[in-house]
Amino acid sequence: EVQLVESGGGLVQPGGSLRLSCAASGFTFSSYSMNWVRQAPGKGLEWVSYISSSSSTIYYADSVKGRFTISRDNAKNSLYLQMNSLRDEDTAVYYCAMRLVVPAANGAFDIWGQGTMVTVSS
Amino acid sequence: DIQLTQSPSFLSASVGDRVTITCRASQGISSYLAWYQQKPGKAPKLLIYAASTLQSGVPSRFSGSGSGTEFTLTISSLQPEDFATYYCQQLNSYPPTFGQGTKVEIK
Repeated sequence: EVQLVESGGGLVQPGGSLRLSCAASGFTFSSYSMNWVRQAPGKGLEWVSYISSSSSTIYYADSVKGRFTISRDNAKNSLYLQMNSLRDEDTAVYYCAMRLVVPAANGAFDIWGQGTMVTVSS
Repeated sequence: DIQLTQSPSFLSASVGDRVTITCRASQGISSYLAWYQQKPGKAPKLLIYAASTLQSGVPSRFSGSGSGTEFTLTISSLQPEDFATYYCQQLNSYPPTFGQGTKVEIK
């Protein structure tokens, strides 16, 4: 069964750091690009970051550029999001998401994790 | 960045109703548009990609159309399990932005 499982969320003070993980199983992780998407409480979806299968291409949303770092370990079938200088507005559920079956040209996210909650508050 | 505007933001409908949600892009995105359904406390679920291709396992009462800047998601006969929030997403260019969402509630 294809599965993405996020972990690492929690309560952190403004200015603090947190590292999220996404454990992948049921498919050849090293062959697929990955994304992080977040959703603030009661709000819509916001794409956060993208990493290609070999880590050669990385993109960030302007709202997190310079503060967040996406990475992956293909040997461990894991995706990470290092979040530094956290702000109140980073409070959200963070999902890892990917295109698995959908044709590559279309890129829609057909696989999502269950999400992990990050709360930034003093 | 490409902006997506969904209308309406909120929709009240009855079981059996035909429902249409519109998504407009701030610039042309060809057919690089997806639709997702999200229920409270759950991750989004892909319904349609490439503007009109039904994802495997999604009921045929869902359909998508459009290209360029205007797109629609139609539910031909609303079922109780369809009450949820729906999002469009453009995948033409980075960042892959989402619409603000359309909440479909029971009348």
